[in-house]
Amino acid sequence: AQKITQTQPGMFVQEKEAVTLDCTYDTSDPSYGLFWYKQPSSGEMIFLIYQGSYDQQNATEGRYSLNFQKARKSANLVISASQLGDSAMYFCAMREEGGGGATNKLIFGTGTLLAVQP
Amino acid sequence: SQTIHQWPATLVQPVGSPLSLECTVEGTSNPNLYWYRQAAGRGLQLLFYSVGIGQISSEVPQNLSASRPQDRQFILSSKKLLLSDSGFYLCAWNPGTSGTDTQYFGPGTRLTVL
Repeated sequence: AQKITQTQPGMFVQEKEAVTLDCTYDTSDPSYGLFWYKQPSSGEMIFLIYQGSYDQQNATEGRYSLNFQKARKSANLVISASQLGDSAMYFCAMREEGGGGATNKLIFGTGTLLAVQP
Repeated sequence: SQTIHQWPATLVQPVGSPLSLECTVEGTSNPNLYWYRQAAGRGLQLLFYSVGIGQISSEVPQNLSASRPQDRQFILSSKKLLLSDSGFYLCAWNPGTSGTDTQYFGPGTRLTVL
């Protein structure tokens, strides 16, 4: 069955250091998309980065990069030069099997709470 | 650019009272729309989605219903709230078949049922 797994309930990182948030997935779809969202304490879900399964290169968006290892079925989020404002819950998500095209439904992991320490 | 609005931002309701949460999207046409619920400290649960006016699909049997009376308006309702309906409700949109499958979320409504 399709599944997204985030095994780190919480993480600490020192300001200005890099941090990796883990995400593994399982799907039978040959074509799929992987997403990372940030949820600060205000509650809004903020889209960070997207990786398509056929993309040749790992996705990058500013200080965010996605370490995509297809054979290992992992899509870890790397945040470089952490800032205090990066403290938030981070969710990994993927398009539901058969959810492309018309519906584009997503399934989410359980999230990782990141705390950036000064 | 596209924006998504939700209201109210917070709501405290007694058990058995009705509910109406509204979500509107600006700057796009014929979007897919989604309602999620997030219990405290938990992940997101998809409740309903809609690919067009009047087209609603329910993901989880529950005390809630959804409607899409206009292209960019999505409403979540209940006739009688339960304690278990408390949570954070998020609306999201996606361009549908015309674009990316990324979903973009609104600011959410925090509902407390007492």
